[in-house]
Amino acid sequence: NAGVTQTPKFQVLKTGQSMTLQCAQDMNHEYMSWYRQDPGMGLRLIHYSVGAGITDQGEVPNGYNVSRSTTEDFPLRLLSAAPSQTSVYFCASSYSGSLPYEQYFGPGTRLTVT
Amino acid sequence: GNSVTQMEGPVTLSEEAFLTINCTYTATGYPSLFWYVQYPGEGLQLLLKATKADDKGSNKGFEATYRKETTSFHLEKGSVQVSDSAVYFCAPRSYGGSQGNLIFGKGTKLSVKP
Repeated sequence: NAGVTQTPKFQVLKTGQSMTLQCAQDMNHEYMSWYRQDPGMGLRLIHYSVGAGITDQGEVPNGYNVSRSTTEDFPLRLLSAAPSQTSVYFCASSYSGSLPYEQYFGPGTRLTVT
Repeated sequence: GNSVTQMEGPVTLSEEAFLTINCTYTATGYPSLFWYVQYPGEGLQLLLKATKADDKGSNKGFEATYRKETTSFHLEKGSVQVSDSAVYFCAPRSYGGSQGNLIFGKGTKLSVKP
């Protein structure tokens, strides 16, 4: 198993550009999520999905879009990048069900918006 | 929704010292409790977990006990090593919908000096 993979590892964007951060998992997990990590802020939830075709907003969704067309993939789209979106982005996945399962995290994407 | 309060860092200890990182939470229902660790430049990985009251999670010499009456899940290690230097995150996770999201504290940075 590759686990949770994220691409790219690093990205520099100019203000106003758009891009998609890729996330994939090969564990057949129903639940997937995106977090951003900023110094002194911990991890904050951007969007999450409980299964293919189902997405919902987390704590800080503005400026980001997601879709879930397959179980494996959960891309995060930045529509018009802003310097405030400079951060490290983590994707995570887990089983759903009657017991809250642990989440598995990807290695992260470090994004800089100039 | 769920929330977490962790002791503020950074925490600096000498090798072989005793470690305690306090964590208290508020959560809906009966959450599972997790400690995640993030080593420099890496994503988060599960350190230990507990799923019901009085359960003790343990791994790599770290322990934490699920205290429902005090809504706490403090992390302890009897003798820290330089390799334990990392950021530690406490997180409750409830079941179902947005309550199934993993909500993190701000993290506690631990530095262990030889």
